[in-house]
Parts: sequence; C-alpha cells; structure tokens
Amino acid sequence: QAVVTQEPSLTVSPGGTVTLTCGSSTGAVTSGHYPYWFQQKPGQAPRTLIYDTSNKHSWTPARFSGSLLGDKAALTLSGAQPEDEAEYYCLLPYTGVRVFGGGTKLTVL
Amino acid sequence: EVQLVESGGGLVQPGGSLRLSCSASGFSFSTDAMHWVRQAPGKGLEYVSTISSTGGSTYYADSVKGRFTISRDNSKNTLYLQMSSLRNEDTAVYYCVKGWKYWGQGTLVTVSS
Repeated sequence: QAVVTQEPSLTVSPGGTVTLTCGSSTGAVTSGHYPYWFQQKPGQAPRTLIYDTSNKHSWTPARFSGSLLGDKAALTLSGAQPEDEAEYYCLLPYTGVRVFGGGTKLTVL
Repeated sequence: EVQLVESGGGLVQPGGSLRLSCSASGFSFSTDAMHWVRQAPGKGLEYVSTISSTGGSTYYADSVKGRFTISRDNSKNTLYLQMSSLRNEDTAVYYCVKGWKYWGQGTLVTVSS
C-alpha cells in the first residue's frame, strides 16, 4: 500500500506563513490526485479545508490555500492565527482506495 | 443543514462483530459516495472504506479487507459498516464522511476482552 508523507510537526509565529507538504511514495503528486486537506482540533471531528488541490469550501478561512509544490501537494497558511493550531491531514487516492498522510501537528507560537 | 450521525459503537470482545450505522439528513443521500474513516486513540486518521452512490462499487483498506463490509440503504438515508473478526487494533473512533466534504462526529468502537 502506498505511503503518504507529511511533516510530523511545524511551528509558525502568529501572523506568519507556513507551508505543509504531502508527498506520495509512488511518485509525484499531481492535480490528477485531487489532493484533500483536513484540519482536526483536539476533541473534534476533522473538517475539510481544501479539495481538488486548491478549492476551498465556504467555511475555509481565506488565509489557507492549496497548491502543488514541486512533486508534492502543499497547504499554505498565510497570517497564522492562534486558532489555527491543530493537526492537518492530507488525503490521496490510489486505485479506488484512499490513503491519509500521518498528519502535521501545527503549533502557533 | 447536512447532518451525519453515527451509531452502533461500543465494547466488543476480540473476534466479535459489530454493525455501525450513519444516518444522513439535509442533503440528497443517494447522489454521493460515502466513506468510513477511523482514528485510534492518540493516532492519525486511517481510511477504512468507500461505497459509490448506488452501492455498486466498494473499496477497502488492506487492514480491513475480508472482515468489514460497507453498504448503504438509499431509501433510509443510511450508511452501514458491518465489522467482523474484530481485533484489538480496530479500536478507534469511526467517522462517516459524505463525499470527503462533511464529517460526522464519530462513534467509538472498543475491542477488548
């Protein structure tokens, strides 16, 4: 089964910018993977932030954006807020099934 | 308002069975693929299974293939996950997800003797 890799942890200063990445053991992540990004805060269910690489839902704060960066999918947070401290997961498809990355614990400090 | 409410979780012994349900409301249930995702205590998200909108196609993670069965009843707006031959490592909160957009609040399954 494919492995999806994410940074285990990152720290960003309030108001700062940080980029989380999502790689695939099978090769480059492309728009054809339609990568998803999810945010999960302690004690809460996950919520979807980004779909199909860069599309936002109505509830996605404008400071979040999705893209492809080199051979990976990327989630960029510009102007970090304390409430953005959370775990972030990406999701990629592989022949019908999906695989989550291990998650990135983002600290705003 | 989209609502997904999981139920059926609980304590079960290793080797036992359990059926989870996810009751959906606030949207046209029959038009979207549905998914189950689980999260073991203190761990990350793990994909479990997908069923197409009609139920004609199903997919499973290797870790549950042959033991879990996903199904849906579009007339009842309900998604199911039949779990059998349960193992300690199946202990997790199980979430149902609509089209990778909306998530339920989850139901806890504990496999322990």
